Amino acid sequence: NAGVTQTPKFQVLKTGQSMTLQCAQDMNHNSMYWYRQDPGMGLRLIYYSASEGTTDKGEVPNGYNVSRLNKREFSLRLESAAPSQTSVYFCASSLAAPSSYEQYFGPGTRLTVT
Amino acid sequence: GNSVTQMEGPVTLSEEAFLTINCTYTATGYPSLFWYVQYPGEGLQLLLKATKADDKGSNKGFEATYRKETTSFHLEKGSVQVSDSAVYFCALRGDAGGTSYGKLTFGQGTILTVHP
Repeated sequence: NAGVTQTPKFQVLKTGQSMTLQCAQDMNHNSMYWYRQDPGMGLRLIYYSASEGTTDKGEVPNGYNVSRLNKREFSLRLESAAPSQTSVYFCASSLAAPSSYEQYFGPGTRLTVT
Repeated sequence: GNSVTQMEGPVTLSEEAFLTINCTYTATGYPSLFWYVQYPGEGLQLLLKATKADDKGSNKGFEATYRKETTSFHLEKGSVQVSDSAVYFCALRGDAGGTSYGKLTFGQGTILTVHP
């Protein structure tokens, strides 16, 4: 059981380049989330998808777009990367939201924008 | 809005020492409270949780009690091991009826290093 998987693990971009971070879960979860983790800031919610076909903004959505491709997959796109987007990005999933169900996290993608 | 404040780190301890990591929160209503742990190179894992006042969450020797009167959820362990070295995050989830319902708000994380 792989749980939540993310690709790539590491990425270096130049300012203005675009890229898509991929996330997939095999737990048949309905809800999926994207967070960014910055030193001294904890994790902040970028976007979430409560169920297939829906997406909503979180705390820090500017500069990002998301796609809930199907129940398993939730991608995060940076259209024009900026140095301020240098961060570690985590995808998570839960059985449902809002709810009392635990969120399961992927291993993260470390992104550097130069 | 909701917020979580953790004690400043990093924290360095010798094996078998007593651990306390302080966590206080600001939220309306009755949030649920969590401690997550992140081992090097891995994602976050739920360590323990408490969903109402005076509940005690416990797991792997770690404990935390939901104190509504002091809006705190301090993490404790009586005897730490080298394998406990990790980053610890306190988090809350807003309760029903609020705009933050279901969303997690994290503290900034506390790095714990345990030496043999």
